[in-house]
Amino acid sequence: GDSVTQMEGPVTLSEEAFLTINCTYTATGYPSLFWYVQYPGEGLQLLLKATKADDKGSNKGFEATYRKETTSFHLEKGSVQVSDSAVYFCALTSGGAAGNKLTFGGGTRVLVKP
Amino acid sequence: EAGVTQFPSHSVIEKGQTVTLRCDPISGHDNLYWYRRVMGKEIKFLLHFVKESKQDESGMPNNRFLAERTGGTYSTLKVQPAELEDSGVYFCASSQGGRNNEKLFFGSGTQLSVL
Repeated sequence: GDSVTQMEGPVTLSEEAFLTINCTYTATGYPSLFWYVQYPGEGLQLLLKATKADDKGSNKGFEATYRKETTSFHLEKGSVQVSDSAVYFCALTSGGAAGNKLTFGGGTRVLVKP
Repeated sequence: EAGVTQFPSHSVIEKGQTVTLRCDPISGHDNLYWYRRVMGKEIKFLLHFVKESKQDESGMPNNRFLAERTGGTYSTLKVQPAELEDSGVYFCASSQGGRNNEKLFFGSGTQLSVL
């Protein structure tokens, strides 16, 4: 079945540091890939997505590129802020009969210190 | 426009008791999903409603869990009797429907603690 593996946290960074969160997946067919973020006390929010190979999703300074050859969708941000402290989840949908059913990774907690 | 709302935000119950979680999706959203995150692990799918019908309940862990969506509006998830391993965060999400890979809107979750 489908699965998503992402690096375990917590990841602690200083403000303006470079952030990378690794994500790899196993899926049937051609999945769509997502990064969701959960800020403290809030629900999950879609951060970015990519629906086909070589697509790059981007939002709020974050980027991730759909790499089919390495089955990866690593999240990057060049200069993090304290407000980026949150839990980040990589996820996929296989589409078809599964529709919008999401398969999530375990989440990576990121803490950005001033 | 109101987002997806979940109630309660926190619930602490004893093993063997019953708890009912409620989710109000965004108005007009036909699709409603329940997910849960147990013990800081990955978020796992529980089930999917399309309007009032259960489209996919393959993620429901056992028959102690009962989900309903009366009239295709709000949904409830009842756990009876609750066990220690049911502790976790239960998320609800909704989407309009009709297309794959469309955006899901999540609620803030219900933190369930079974003691």
